Amino acid sequence: QKEVEQNSGPLSVPEGAIASLNCTYSDRGSQSFFWYRQYSGKSPELIMFIYSNGDKEDGRFTAQLNKASQYVSLLIRDSQPSDSATYLCAVKRGTALIFGKGTTLSVSS
Amino acid sequence: EAQVTQNPRYLITVTGKKLTVTCSQNMNHEYMSWYRQDPGLGLRQIYYSMNVEVTDKGDVPEGYKVSRKEKRNFPLILESPSPNQTSLYFCASSPQPGELFFGEGSRLTVL
Repeated sequence: QKEVEQNSGPLSVPEGAIASLNCTYSDRGSQSFFWYRQYSGKSPELIMFIYSNGDKEDGRFTAQLNKASQYVSLLIRDSQPSDSATYLCAVKRGTALIFGKGTTLSVSS
Repeated sequence: EAQVTQNPRYLITVTGKKLTVTCSQNMNHEYMSWYRQDPGLGLRQIYYSMNVEVTDKGDVPEGYKVSRKEKRNFPLILESPSPNQTSLYFCASSPQPGELFFGEGSRLTVL
């Protein structure tokens, strides 16, 4: 089982819809979880992190964590074409940060 | 402006010719890390450093070396590059592991 797994997509949603991106992880002891966005040809940028079970909201973004089920998700409300990018889930393992392969999101206008 | 600066941004080299990719950050971060990104394989950690003179291997350290003599700098050294090290390399820094600030990337081709 891969340490951090994401559906590679592409995930296609119309403008204004909710995009739901999911990530599962194998290390039950993981404590910290991160979502990065990477536009084509650019470097990853941090958009959210979550440490506790439940939801964390930041503007149009909501991160959800369920440690019992070992998954973390990212919801993007009112999706915009500018949200089209690859979204990387990352899990902290000790002092290292392990990334999933990313999910490509395409928002059509 | 807070930034992580990598050089060179693009490099084509030949097998066996030693090269160094420099990385410098101006945010006084203790944690620095190198990743390579390959199609279908995602971002994989090469080496990381918790502080000056403290470095450790990531998931794919073979063929690479690093040093951390100063807090701001974390160069990646390829002593004898091979074609399988052709990749996009990212340096990143953060106050602690997790909330990384990435450099713009260095695209390396080894012929």
